[in-house]
Amino acid sequence: DAGVTQSPTHLIKTRGQQVTLRCSPKSGHDTVSWYQQALGQGPQFIFQYYEEEERQRGNFPDRFSGHQFPNYSSELNVNALLLGDSALYLCASSWGPSWGTDTQYFGPGTRLTVL
Amino acid sequence: DAKTTQPNSMESNEEEPVHLPCNHSTISGTDYIHWYRQLPSQGPEYVIHGLTSNVNNRMASLAIAEDRKSSTLILHRATLRDAAVYYCILRVALGGSQGNLIFGKGTKLSVKP
Repeated sequence: DAGVTQSPTHLIKTRGQQVTLRCSPKSGHDTVSWYQQALGQGPQFIFQYYEEEERQRGNFPDRFSGHQFPNYSSELNVNALLLGDSALYLCASSWGPSWGTDTQYFGPGTRLTVL
Repeated sequence: DAKTTQPNSMESNEEEPVHLPCNHSTISGTDYIHWYRQLPSQGPEYVIHGLTSNVNNRMASLAIAEDRKSSTLILHRATLRDAAVYYCILRVALGGSQGNLIFGKGTKLSVKP
């Protein structure tokens, strides 16, 4: 049973460019969350998708957008890249609505470097 | 959002028990206490969670204070593979939706052979 997969593993972009990161959830999961982890910090919640809709959003600008496909996979798009967007981007999947008890399964992340 | 406080770092010897503390004095009655850990160069992984009673699973035990203002993650016999950053997280149970994970800086656990 494949866990959460993310692509690409590493990515280098320059300021002002746009980037798309991809995530495939664990088999049987229908909810995908995205997190940004700067060096030496804990992950910060970006947004969560369920039933192809953004259900929750953290404190991130509109340059960060996402999409969930009918097969539950997801994309994270970042426009107008800034140096401060350099980070590890983590995708996590889980199943259905819950009341704070669900377990999130994380992928290995995509390391984005903005030059 | 309710906050948690953890020591920045802890050290342990291999095969000895480890007690990782977490303070959450502003916890609300419906907040679940979750623990995740992040091994080097990996994404976080779930360890354990609880609400009021102590919990055990194959990875660890979670001891929750009676007033729920603090909790302790217990690794019964630390191994080198347990060296990681451990995050204590309060999970807000929102009506009709999942509470997202709010990570702090966590506790970096070092395990000495």
